[in-house]
Amino acid sequence: IAGITQAPTSQILAAGRRMTLRCTQDMRHNAMYWYRQDLGLGLRLIHYSNTAGTTGKGEVPDGYSVSRANTDDFPLTLASAVPSQTSVYFCASSESDTTDTQYFGPGTRLTVL
Amino acid sequence: GQNIDQPTEMTATEGAIVQINCTYQTSGFNGLFWYQQHAGEAPTFLSYNVLDGLEEKGRFSSFLSRSKGYSYLLLKELQMKDSASYLCASMDSNYQLIWGAGTKLIIKP
Repeated sequence: IAGITQAPTSQILAAGRRMTLRCTQDMRHNAMYWYRQDLGLGLRLIHYSNTAGTTGKGEVPDGYSVSRANTDDFPLTLASAVPSQTSVYFCASSESDTTDTQYFGPGTRLTVL
Repeated sequence: GQNIDQPTEMTATEGAIVQINCTYQTSGFNGLFWYQQHAGEAPTFLSYNVLDGLEEKGRFSSFLSRSKGYSYLLLKELQMKDSASYLCASMDSNYQLIWGAGTKLIIKP
């Protein structure tokens, strides 16, 4: 079944540790996104990629980095996790970087202690 | 600044109709999206409006007024499975989605 997968499903992490959240899509979408979702707040864009080889910063990029080596994969790395990065992380993709619908992965629940 | 406002929570009865409102203020406008999100799950796409007026899709309809910065999602013949959060998002001039915090809809039998 075509779609977006994320790994891990959930993770508990000690502060200061490095962590990479994985995201893979098989829809050959050009654009991909990373969001975080916190209680009482709307989804906030962390980083995005309009096409393979390019990335951009969203609303809350500090403490996170991304890469887009190919069309399918868009990993998000926390270089040194802090408790404020405790959140649910969603990866999404869309056919293009304009008005196309964004499709979301199942999410990763991350707790930083 | 950019801002999306929608009610935090609404309650409705099975079989009834409910309207979820959303007001938006973004830098530029490239359309208004509605998503549904069940607890513990990913958001799923419901509708997209870029022109004024009503778009109907089965039991769900979405309305947009660009001059008022206003949209609503109308759900008819409510079913228990409609209990979820409904997210309003405006696409700004950079084609980035600005999201509201979501409206939690509780359906009672």
